[in-house]
Amino acid sequence: EVQLLESGGGLVQPGGSLRLSCVASGFTFSTYAMSWVRQAPGKGLEWVSGISADATASYYADSVKGRFTISRDESKNTLYLQMNSLGADDTAVYYCAKASAPPSWFDPWGQGTLVTVSS
Amino acid sequence: EIVLTQSPATLSLSPGERATLSCRASQSVGSYLAWYQQKPGQAPRLLIYDASNRATGIPARFSGSGSGTDFTLTISSLEPEDFAVYYCQHRSNSMYTFGQGTKLEIK
Repeated sequence: EVQLLESGGGLVQPGGSLRLSCVASGFTFSTYAMSWVRQAPGKGLEWVSGISADATASYYADSVKGRFTISRDESKNTLYLQMNSLGADDTAVYYCAKASAPPSWFDPWGQGTLVTVSS
Repeated sequence: EIVLTQSPATLSLSPGERATLSCRASQSVGSYLAWYQQKPGQAPRLLIYDASNRATGIPARFSGSGSGTDFTLTISSLEPEDFAVYYCQHRSNSMYTFGQGTKLEIK
């Protein structure tokens, strides 16, 4: 069974940093692109960042470009999202998601981890 | 940038009725459109990919159609567990876009 398990969320002050992790199991992690998608409280889904299967390419939404960095560690089957200069608008549940091959849709999604930016 | 517009924002129906949800793209996306279902407190679940293909384990009452700029998700006969929020999604130039969602509520 394919599973994605996020961790690392929590309360952080404005301007602070946080690193999210997503441990993958049940599939060959190194052969799939991955993404982070977030959902602010009561709002819709917003794609945040994606990384290619071989980690040679990464992509970001304009809203996080220059502040967030996506990476992956094949030896640990883990996807990361380093988030810096956090603001209130970054408050959301962050989901990791496995992309299809070739990348077009997401299946499955992790259960999400909540990031709250507040003083 | 492709914009996906879903309608209606809210759809009020009763169990057993047919639901028709719309997703319109600002430019042609071919057949590269997916649909997700999200229930409160849960992660989104893939329902339909490539406009009309049901994902694994998705009941036959869910169907997708359309191509180009106009797409439809149809639920033939609503079950109580189908009341949720539905999103459409497209990938272009390595970026992903979601519609704003349609909330399907019990009438």
